Amino acid sequence: GENVEQHPSTLSVQEGDSAVIKCTYSDSASNYFPWYKQELGKRPQLIIDIRSNVGEKKDQRIAVTLNKTAKHFSLHITETQPEDSAVYFCAASKEGGADGLTFGKGTHLIIQP
Amino acid sequence: KAGVTQTPRYLIKTRGQQVTLSCSPISGHRSVSWYQQTPGQGLQFLFEYFSETQRNKGNFPGRFSGRQFSNSRSEMNVSTLELGDSALYLCASSLVASGGGGEQFFGPGTRLTVL
Repeated sequence: GENVEQHPSTLSVQEGDSAVIKCTYSDSASNYFPWYKQELGKRPQLIIDIRSNVGEKKDQRIAVTLNKTAKHFSLHITETQPEDSAVYFCAASKEGGADGLTFGKGTHLIIQP
Repeated sequence: KAGVTQTPRYLIKTRGQQVTLSCSPISGHRSVSWYQQTPGQGLQFLFEYFSETQRNKGNFPGRFSGRQFSNSRSEMNVSTLELGDSALYLCASSLVASGGGGEQFFGPGTRLTVL
């Protein structure tokens, strides 16, 4: 089955700086890659996703890049703010698959004031 | 549109007991997936139901089972509880089956503690 590795497990950045979280996946057939944000005590919420026919997608301060050849994808957050502090999960799944989303172990992002 | 709801929100059980968790998806969503979240293992896929059929199951023992009703509500059952079953159980609903790449909307979870 699919295996998703996520790094780093903890990331501390100064407010206003950029943050980058990286994930690799093992199944070359995976073609859908969402990113979820989970604040303490709350449910995971989708913040951005990308499909394998696209190399990059942006939404305001958030962007995701995908390298299908290397089987890795990254989340980029620019101009970080205190409310960006949370745990971020990457995930992968494949069209026609029935294994649900395979998640990375998560990155705890800490925004230092 | 109301979000995904889960009941109960908190449960305390003892080893050997069984438990049933409930998930009501967003209206119109036919897919319900279940995940176990623990600090050590993160989010792990349990199973998915689509139109009352289980599509697949993750790497969990047979003590974990589920079902889906005609109104898309889903239940998950864990029998013969073990200490290691203590976790946050999340369900997620989607318009399409998980392989279709549709957004999954998570419920607030049920926090299960096994003593």
